[in-house]
Amino acid sequence: NAGVTQTPKFQVLKTGQSMTLQCAQDMNHEYMSWYRQDPGMGLRLIHYSVGAGITDQGEVPNGYNVSRSTTEDFPLRLLSAAPSQTSVYFCASRKGGSYEQYFGPGTRLTVT
Amino acid sequence: RKEVEQDPGPFNVPEGATVAFNCTYSNSASQSFFWYRQDCRKEPKLLMSVYSSGNEDGRFTAQLNRASQYISLLIRDSKLSDSATYLCVVNLSAGNMLTFGGGTRLMVKP
Repeated sequence: NAGVTQTPKFQVLKTGQSMTLQCAQDMNHEYMSWYRQDPGMGLRLIHYSVGAGITDQGEVPNGYNVSRSTTEDFPLRLLSAAPSQTSVYFCASRKGGSYEQYFGPGTRLTVT
Repeated sequence: RKEVEQDPGPFNVPEGATVAFNCTYSNSASQSFFWYRQDCRKEPKLLMSVYSSGNEDGRFTAQLNRASQYISLLIRDSKLSDSATYLCVVNLSAGNMLTFGGGTRLMVKP
């Protein structure tokens, strides 16, 4: 199993550009989540999904969209990048009934 | 006040030392508690769950104090390889979300 995979590993955007961060898992996990990690702030939940076709907002959803058309994939879209979105983004998945989260390797995003 | 709060450290300890971290949480109805470990520039990984009665896994002991709303992690006989950031994670409500503390950085020195 590849576990949770994320692409790209690194990305530099200009203010106002849009892009999609990809996340996929091959463990048939129901739950998937997107977090951002900033120094001193810990991981903050952006959006999450409890199954295909179902998404919900987390703590810091503004400026981001998600969709979950399949169990495996959970892309995160930045609509119009801002310097405040410079961060490390982690995708995670877990099986229903368990709180053990499996994280992808992260995407380091810089917005200039 | 943050919902899950940790001392950011760093804790600098010599090899072989015993070190303990605390984490406080805001919601007394919280049900599930965990410690995750995150190495530099890597993703977090589950270290251990924290059970009401306390639990041990080798050199690591986790405890929960519901009355004071904190959990703790004790590491005995520290190894160089224990150097990492330790994240306290709480399921603050009956919902699906996990809330992460800011992490405590541990540096074990020879």
